[in-house]
Amino acid sequence: EAGVAQSPRYKIIEKRQSVAFWCNPISGHATLYWYQQILGQGPKLLIQFQNNGVVDDSQLPKDRFSAERLKGVDSTLKIQPAKLEDSAVYLCASSLGTGGYDYTFGSGTRLTVV
Amino acid sequence: AQSVAQPEDQVNVAEGNPLTVKCTYSVSGNPYLFWYVQYPNRGLQFLLKYITGDNLVKGSYGFEAEFNKSQTSFHLKKPSALVSDSALYFCAVRGLTGGGNKLTFGTGTQLKVEL
Repeated sequence: EAGVAQSPRYKIIEKRQSVAFWCNPISGHATLYWYQQILGQGPKLLIQFQNNGVVDDSQLPKDRFSAERLKGVDSTLKIQPAKLEDSAVYLCASSLGTGGYDYTFGSGTRLTVV
Repeated sequence: AQSVAQPEDQVNVAEGNPLTVKCTYSVSGNPYLFWYVQYPNRGLQFLLKYITGDNLVKGSYGFEAEFNKSQTSFHLKKPSALVSDSALYFCAVRGLTGGGNKLTFGTGTQLKVEL
């Protein structure tokens, strides 16, 4: 079974620029998550989708971050404008249902804001 | 609110010796508990999980973990460590009450296995 695909693997941008990350979950997985992992910390949930609807975006900085999951399959996460503190690894994960016990993570996108 | 504590930033162990990586949790109701491993420049790889049933859970690569409800702990163990086990380990919890099914992670424990 193919895993969770993410691109790009690495991105370096200047502060105040915009950036977008893409995630393609495992086929058939209804739930998709975006996590932010800052160096030295554990991953923190930014947003959770169930099909193409948002279930939880309570920790998403909505003034600069946005995410969408059109058609309930792949998803994009955007930051505009980026700040230095956004430097992190952005992990996408998916799970088959709503049971919340079969998560699969992608390799992540490492963002460096300079 | 749910939370996870990993009290040790780093654990050092000699190859062939047993290893333990500690995790305690706080959650309303019964928890789902997970261990993930992360190698440099890689995503999170699933090791094992506790959902229900036997308190001793066996997972990938010879790892196991014991769920202790009274101590709210879920320590990761391996009888004989390998140098290749050196990596960053994360404990995570998901509560069974409330909306959503997000995982809450600890801050991670760096395991270093030396010859």
